[in-house]
This record gives sequence, C-alpha cells and structure tokens, in this order.
Amino acid sequence: GDSVTQMEGPVTLSEEAFLTINCTYTATGYPSLFWYVQYPGEGLQLLLKATKADDKGSNKGFEATYRKETTSFHLEKGSVQVSDSAVYFCALRVNQAGTALIFGKGTTLSVSS
Amino acid sequence: DTGVSQDPRHKITKRGQNVTFRCDPISEHNRLYWYRQTLGQGPEFLTYFQNEAQLEKSRLLSDRFSAERPKGSFSTLEIQRTEQGDSAMYLCASSLPDRGSGGYTFGSGTRLTVV
Repeated sequence: GDSVTQMEGPVTLSEEAFLTINCTYTATGYPSLFWYVQYPGEGLQLLLKATKADDKGSNKGFEATYRKETTSFHLEKGSVQVSDSAVYFCALRVNQAGTALIFGKGTTLSVSS
Repeated sequence: DTGVSQDPRHKITKRGQNVTFRCDPISEHNRLYWYRQTLGQGPEFLTYFQNEAQLEKSRLLSDRFSAERPKGSFSTLEIQRTEQGDSAMYLCASSLPDRGSGGYTFGSGTRLTVV
C-alpha cells in the first residue's frame, strides 16, 4: 500500500544551521506530496506541497522538491531559527478525488540558540 | 470563520464509558476527515465525509466507533465502551472538493485519555 517514510528524530540543531529532513514514499499512483508542521500545543499546519514531479514547494524559508526518480520529498531550510522547533510530517495523497492523506511518523526538530 | 474547531480539547474518561467529540469544519468545506494520532506516530486516517455521506472508513474504525455528519456541517465521533488503547489525539480536518492535490485544514484536536 501507499506509505511515507521519514528520518527518525529528534533532530537537534543550533540556530542558523542547515536543515534537511528526509522523506521517501511508496505510492501506486502519482501522488501529491506535502509537509505539515505541528508546533507545541497546536494543530497540524500545511507548510508546503508539490503536486507533480520536479515541482518545488516553498514557504517560510523551507523548500522541498518532488523527485520521482528517487521517490523523495526532502525538506530543507538554509538557516533554522528557534521558532522552527516543531514536529514535521511528510504526507502523500494519491491524485484521486476523495483520497485521504497518508502521513509519516513525524520528525521532531529542536533548535537551540 | 477562523478554521476547524474541535470540542472538547481534552477528555478523560473511565474505561467502558462512551465519549463523543465534535468537529466544526470551515463552512465552505464540504469534505471532513477524522484522524487519530498516538504518541510518536503520524496521524492515521479513520473516516471521511463528503457533505453528509460517509464515503470511506478505515479498518482502524472498529464497531465501537461511529461518526456522523447529519446536515453536512458539523460532525461527531463517538466511541462506545472505551478501552485504554483508545487513548490518543483525535484530529478533524476539512477541505474543498479537489482531485487529490489539495491539503487539508486541521483542527487542534481532542486529546482522549482512558483511565
């Protein structure tokens, strides 16, 4: 079945460090790919998405490129801030009306000043 | 409309009791989803409505679970005869109709603790 695999955390970085969180997927169709973020005590928020191969999603300094050949959607940020500390979830959705989002297990990011 | 609202935020119940959660989606969203999230895991899909019709149920949704969306607006999720394994965060999300490329808007969740 369709699934998402994320790198295990926690990821601990100093402020201004470079961030990569790896995400790979398995899907029978051609999915759309998403990154969601969950800040402490808050609900899941859509961070960015890409709907087809080679698309790059970006938001708030975060980027991820849909790589069909490697079935990956790695999240990157050039310079993290303390306020980026959160849990990050990679997710996919097969491009078919009504299908549900399938999430990875999440990666906890902790940024210290 | 400020987003997806869930009530209550927290619920502690004794094993064997019934509980009901409510979700109010964004008003123009006709699709509504329920997910369950346990500690250290990503959200797992439970069920989905389009308007008032329940179109899909996960195998995770045992017979003790029932969800309704009677008028195509708010939805309720009821768990009967709760078990300790039901302890989790229950998330509701809503979305506009699409062909699968859209994301969802999530509520803050209801945290259930079964003691």
